[in-house]
Amino acid sequence: AQSVTQLDSQVPVFEEAPVELRCNYSSSVSVYLFWYVQYPNQGLQLLLKYLSGSTLVKGINGFEAEFNKSQTSFHLRKPSVHISDTAEYFCAVYQGAQKLVFGQGTRLTINP
Amino acid sequence: DAGVTQSPTHLIKTRGQHVTLRCSPISGHKSVSWYQQVLGQGPQFIFQYYEKEERGRGNFPDRFSARQFPNYSSELNVNALLLGDSALYLCASSLGGRTLRGRNEQFFGPGTRLTVL
Repeated sequence: AQSVTQLDSQVPVFEEAPVELRCNYSSSVSVYLFWYVQYPNQGLQLLLKYLSGSTLVKGINGFEAEFNKSQTSFHLRKPSVHISDTAEYFCAVYQGAQKLVFGQGTRLTINP
Repeated sequence: DAGVTQSPTHLIKTRGQHVTLRCSPISGHKSVSWYQQVLGQGPQFIFQYYEKEERGRGNFPDRFSARQFPNYSSELNVNALLLGDSALYLCASSLGGRTLRGRNEQFFGPGTRLTVL
């Protein structure tokens, strides 16, 4: 079974600073990876996804992620964060039959 | 266009009771998946339905059941509620279809927050 591990439960950063949220996945022949964001008291919104092709994936709200097969990682990055980016971020891997396996989440807190 | 809708938004039950949660997918979507998100954790897969048939089931007890209706809406039922069933229950819809696999983006609803006392 596929799995993902989010290496940081909480990440505090200052506004306009860069941020990286780390995600490692279990090795597989082919893997589809996703990053979702959850704002307080809301459902999940897809930020970006890697299915195949270019290893650098660009998503919404200025986020991007890099698929690294040799390190089995799919880290999420943003060059300059805003207060509105405060949320919970989840890395997920597709496991077939419309099933997503999620990591434990990383709480991103932006300080002014 | 309306997104995925779920009802109710909040629910309080006592141990041993039964609960039914409802989900309406995006128009044109034939697949509905249910997830349980306990506070402080990532969502856990419960069920997936496509074309009114169960296509996937997570590691949940038989107290959990679901069904999908001809209009592709879905219900999640939980019997004999336990304190540990307190969670946010998320519904996700997608186009479905075996060949699309990971390309089949799932759209999540706002969830139903269930509290069991």
